[in-house]
This record gives sequence, structure tokens and C-alpha cells, in this order.
Amino acid sequence: DIQMTQSPSSLSASVGGRVTITCQASQNIKNYLNWYQQKPGKAPKLLIYDASHLETGVPSRFSGAGSGTDFTFTISRLQPEDVATYFCQQYDTAPLTFGRGTRVDVK
Amino acid sequence: QVRLAQSGAEVKKPGASVKLSCTASGYKFTTFGLSWLRQAPGQGLEWIGWLSTFNDNTKFAPKFQGRLTMTSETSTSTVYMELRSLTSDDTAIYYCARGQHGYFADAFDIWGQGTMITVSS
Repeated sequence: DIQMTQSPSSLSASVGGRVTITCQASQNIKNYLNWYQQKPGKAPKLLIYDASHLETGVPSRFSGAGSGTDFTFTISRLQPEDVATYFCQQYDTAPLTFGRGTRVDVK
Repeated sequence: QVRLAQSGAEVKKPGASVKLSCTASGYKFTTFGLSWLRQAPGQGLEWIGWLSTFNDNTKFAPKFQGRLTMTSETSTSTVYMELRSLTSDDTAIYYCARGQHGYFADAFDIWGQGTMITVSS
């Protein structure tokens, strides 16, 4: 299975601040990488697909970059409603696998 | 609007089976395959498997092979997942999710609300 190493496991930032999460794949997954947001008690929500494409309706403060094995997810100006856990997911090879998640809080 | 509605929570004994349903609405059912995923309490997400709603082809994660069945019923736009030989490790919230482009290897753009399955003696 492809292992997805996501870091950090948690972080805290100020409203308006910049947040960066990294995800490293154990092998080359081209750009087959997605990012999700999950709020407590809710299903995950797709934010970024194919490493850098913003899902329809998702605010432009969310962005993704990378290819191969190293990927980043950025929130450019953190808002209170962005408090959530964020997951990366690869779909290059079955079984599809996820990172362990990054919990984002507001200071 | 596009929606996936899942069946309700269940409590099962170890060794039992569970069959969950996921009913789609707001789009053409046979255009998009559906995956099942799960999330154990306080844990991350795990992909279980995928079903093509077009031709009933399936793709399962190896760890579930042999105790997993996925089927669909086009007349009701419903996908079913049956998991057998349950253990406490199967206690989790189970989600169905639509593949963005209809394939098993895909982003999941629409999710059901989740179904809590508790396995306990």
C-alpha cells in the first residue's frame, strides 16, 4: 500500500494567518492527490483535487501544490470557520489511502 | 440537489454481518461509481472498496476481500455494502462517497451522512 505521511498532526494559527500542511507519498503518485476538510461530526468535504485544482464553491484562500511524492496544502488567510481536520488522499494505486490528518485550530 | 442518504446506525455482535445502504438522488445513478469508506472513532479515513453502478464491477481493498460484498439496485438508485465476520475492529462510521469522475480511483466529491456501526458483545 502507498503510505501517506502527513504533517504536522496538529497546528494552531491566528485568524488571518497562513497555514501550510505537507503530505509525502511513499512512492510517485504523479498528481493523483486530493485534500479534504472534515469538521466534527460531519462527513469530509473535498477541497482540492488533482493536487492543485480547487473544487467548485471552495474559497480561493485554499490551495494545493506538488507532484510526485511531495505535496503541500495552504490556507492563505485562516478564518474561524476553517477550524477542522484536513486529510490528504492518493488515488494513484489501489487501495486508495489517506494521510492521518492535521487538526487546525485558531489561536 | 445531489445527495447520498445512508441507512441508520446498527449494533452487531462479533461474528455477525451488517448490510448498509446508500441511496443516491439528484443525478444519473449509473454515471458515477460509489465507494465505501470508514473512520474508526478518533481515527483517520480508510477506503473499503468501490462499485460501478454501470456494470456492477467491484474493486476492494485487500484487507476486506473474502468478507465484503457490494451490490446495486438501479431501480431505487441504491448501493449496498455487506461486511461479514465482524469484530470490534470494525466499529466505525461508514461512509458512501461518489467518485468525482465515476471511477474507483478518484476524488470523492459527494458523501453520505455516515452510518455508525458498533460491534460489541
